[in-house]
Amino acid sequence: AQSVAQPEDQVNVAEGNPLTVKCTYSVSGNPYLFWYVQYPNRGLQFLLKYITGDNLVKGSYGFEAEFNKSQTSFHLKKPSALVSDSALYFCAVRVRLNTDKLIFGTGTRLQVFP
Amino acid sequence: NAGVTQTPKFRILKIGQSMTLQCTQDMNHNYMYWYRQDPGMGLKLIYYSVGAGITDKGEVPNGYNVSRSTTEDFPLRLELAAPSQTSVYFCASSYGTGNSNQPQHFGDGTRLSIL
Repeated sequence: AQSVAQPEDQVNVAEGNPLTVKCTYSVSGNPYLFWYVQYPNRGLQFLLKYITGDNLVKGSYGFEAEFNKSQTSFHLKKPSALVSDSALYFCAVRVRLNTDKLIFGTGTRLQVFP
Repeated sequence: NAGVTQTPKFRILKIGQSMTLQCTQDMNHNYMYWYRQDPGMGLKLIYYSVGAGITDKGEVPNGYNVSRSTTEDFPLRLELAAPSQTSVYFCASSYGTGNSNQPQHFGDGTRLSIL
């Protein structure tokens, strides 16, 4: 079965420090991977995606993600965290070929402290 | 730019009541989705639609119904509300082809409590 896992419920980081939010996946074939962010009382907003090509993908708000096929991971990163980055982050994987449905991870809450 | 609009934002229902959650999008997206979000559980797909007149079940369809009479609108119906349906409901849309890498666009959700 295809799945995505976010092993950390919460990540705490000081402002200005680098941050990493982890995601691992299990799919058949080549994955389409996505990161979304959710601010309080709002819907999910698209951050970035990996489809093919360069393993380092750049997205909105200075975020980037690294695709690692051997480790089946797609970790979200940012070189210097901001307090305003505090939010809930979701990793998602497209289910399989011939469908646009996504499976979402359970989410990781990022808390950036001043 | 309205995007995906959901109404109402909040609602409290009594057990056994029915209601319709409204969703409309103005991006001319052919695919639309309904999810529910429960704490610590991520998002679960309830129903989806690949175009007007076509709907299909997702992971957790029991207790819900949908229709898609136009490209823009995708309402979600709860016929007999149960406490287990207390959740936050999100509607989303995307340009889909069945093999698309386009992201989904989300509304701001409807917070529903069943008492």
